[in-house]
Amino acid sequence: EAQVTQNPRYLITVTGKKLTVTCSQNMNHEYMSWYRQDPGLGLRQIYYSMNVEVTDKGDVPEGYKVSRKEKRNFPLILESPSPNQTSLYFCASSLTWVSYEQYFGPGTRLTVT
Amino acid sequence: TQLLEQSPQFLSIQEGENLTVYCNSSSVFSSLQWYRQEPGEGPVLLVTVVTGGEVKKLKRLTFQFGDARKDSSLHITAAQPGDTGLYLCAGRGATNKLIFGTGTLLAVQP
Repeated sequence: EAQVTQNPRYLITVTGKKLTVTCSQNMNHEYMSWYRQDPGLGLRQIYYSMNVEVTDKGDVPEGYKVSRKEKRNFPLILESPSPNQTSLYFCASSLTWVSYEQYFGPGTRLTVT
Repeated sequence: TQLLEQSPQFLSIQEGENLTVYCNSSSVFSSLQWYRQEPGEGPVLLVTVVTGGEVKKLKRLTFQFGDARKDSSLHITAAQPGDTGLYLCAGRGATNKLIFGTGTLLAVQP
């Protein structure tokens, strides 16, 4: 089944404790991206990657890192999480960066206390 | 900065009623998409419109792209409880990035 998977689905952590949210897609898509979703603000892009080893900042990159060492994986790293990073996070992929359809993962709900 | 405003933010209606959700911007978009997101899941693409004035129908859902490609609407006829969810519009802007609207949360009561 074609899908985007994220882990973990739920995470509660404390300020400053490094964490990684994994994202994997099995559709051989070139383009992958991370969004955060907050009430009243819609989905905002954090980082994106057009292909392996090519990543760039989205609209809200502060406090986040990403890497794209393999085509299928695009982990999101929070080196020192803070409470304002409490949010619902989505990974998405599409065939190319101009493809109309983006496939979203199921989301990761992160709480930073 | 290109923004997409959706209205209304919340909508609670009875089964069988009709409704329209609006997505507006002062910017021009090369294409516009509508997604539906259910609780605990990621958004799922419903439709993409690319031509000004274009109308697309998906069963009881009708999508329209404004003539000037700055706005769009989603009309649902005879809403059903299964239509409940968060509806998001998303436009592809000047830099070809996808910009999401603020969302409309729809609840259809049986």
